[in-house]
Amino acid sequence: QITLKESGPTLVKPTQTLTLTCTFSGFSLSTSGVGVNWIRQTPGKALEWLGIIYWDDDKRYSPSLKNRLNITKDTSKNQVVLTMTNMGPVDTGTYYCAHRGIVTVFGIVIQGGWFDPWGPGTLVTVSS
Amino acid sequence: EIVLTQSPGTLSLSPGDRATLSCRANESVSRSQLAWYQQKPGQAPRLLIYGASSRATGIPDRFTGSGSATDFTLTISRLEPEDFAVYHCQQYDYSPMTFGQGTRLEIK
Repeated sequence: QITLKESGPTLVKPTQTLTLTCTFSGFSLSTSGVGVNWIRQTPGKALEWLGIIYWDDDKRYSPSLKNRLNITKDTSKNQVVLTMTNMGPVDTGTYYCAHRGIVTVFGIVIQGGWFDPWGPGTLVTVSS
Repeated sequence: EIVLTQSPGTLSLSPGDRATLSCRANESVSRSQLAWYQQKPGQAPRLLIYGASSRATGIPDRFTGSGSATDFTLTISRLEPEDFAVYHCQQYDYSPMTFGQGTRLEIK
């Protein structure tokens, strides 16, 4: 069974850097094809994909936030870390990590761009 | 980026009714790379459908996804009390992956 859980500060001040950790179990980030995504849900933009880190340390980021984001992994600890710089009030919301979708068809493993499962999320408020 | 527009914004129905939710893309989503999620208050989204029409593990068969290119539909054949929630569509054909703004399914 795959599970993920986000952790980190609930309150950050404007201009500060946010660091969130996703701790997971039930899979290894050293297995070919595996990826962990970060997604957030804010009142202004609903659900927004932030980025993904793959088993081979390749990373992809949302173009609109690329300059502020960094995603790293610690395979030995089963953790993925998201850092987001220069936080502002519009960044207030719930941050989720989610496993890259995977399905097995006739014994063949197919990785997809959907998200399954998700962690429970962590609410981050940006305020002075 | 691909913009997904969900309609209606809110759908008011009764248990036992049939629900039809729409998700339209401003560009063609090839290979039906579209997913649907259900989200209940205080919870993370849960995958219902991937590949436009494939049900995720454990999802009841009253949930059906259909469509292609720019028009996709999620149909719930007979609403159960636990189905009243917010539903999101998501495309994963192009980067960045994007979501619709959601449809709230409420009890009439």
